[in-house]
Amino acid sequence: NAGVMQNPRHLVRRRGQEARLRCSPMKGHSHVYWYRQLPEEGLKFMVYLQKENIIDESGMPKERFSAEFPKEGPSILRIQQVVRGDSAAYFCASSPVWGGVTDTQYFGPGTRLTVL
Amino acid sequence: KNEVEQSPQNLTAQEGEFITINCSYSVGISALHWLQQHPGGGIVSLFMLSSGKKKHGRLIATINIQEKHSSLHITASHPRDSAVYICAVSYNTDKLIFGTGTRLQVFP
Repeated sequence: NAGVMQNPRHLVRRRGQEARLRCSPMKGHSHVYWYRQLPEEGLKFMVYLQKENIIDESGMPKERFSAEFPKEGPSILRIQQVVRGDSAAYFCASSPVWGGVTDTQYFGPGTRLTVL
Repeated sequence: KNEVEQSPQNLTAQEGEFITINCSYSVGISALHWLQQHPGGGIVSLFMLSSGKKKHGRLIATINIQEKHSSLHITASHPRDSAVYICAVSYNTDKLIFGTGTRLQVFP
């Protein structure tokens, strides 16, 4: 069973460009979380999704950021018109659900975004 | 004030020493998680617990719900244990709220 996959692992963008980060959860996991780790800072929650549904986006910046988890395919975190402050490591995690209760979250390797 | 506090922030040890990392949180939670972040950046989930104690190899995690406190212990520490150890809590919505991490270095 492959782990959580994220791609690309490293992404370089110039200011004003768009960044698309992909996350494929572990097989059988229907819940996806995105977290951001700014340089020299701790991890912060961004958004929690189930298939075709955003459950909690309280950690998402109000503008330029969006996330989706379609019925088919990976979850996508999209950052429009990137700025230098978006440079960070973006981690995706997935978890199974047993009897309506989520279990341990499994983390992907992260995407390191650098904005020039 | 961060709602998840860890101590110490940095910890150095000699190989073989017993290590304890502490975590305190401010409100009731549904679960507490201990994570390990390797020098390369990858994150591994070590434990998820809501009561009592769990053990995996040389790692032991305990939680005291009344005192809102958890500890992560490493017995017979080894240089390969060098990493950042992160405490995180989850509430009903399941998103994780993270502590700032404890950077552990174990020297041979």
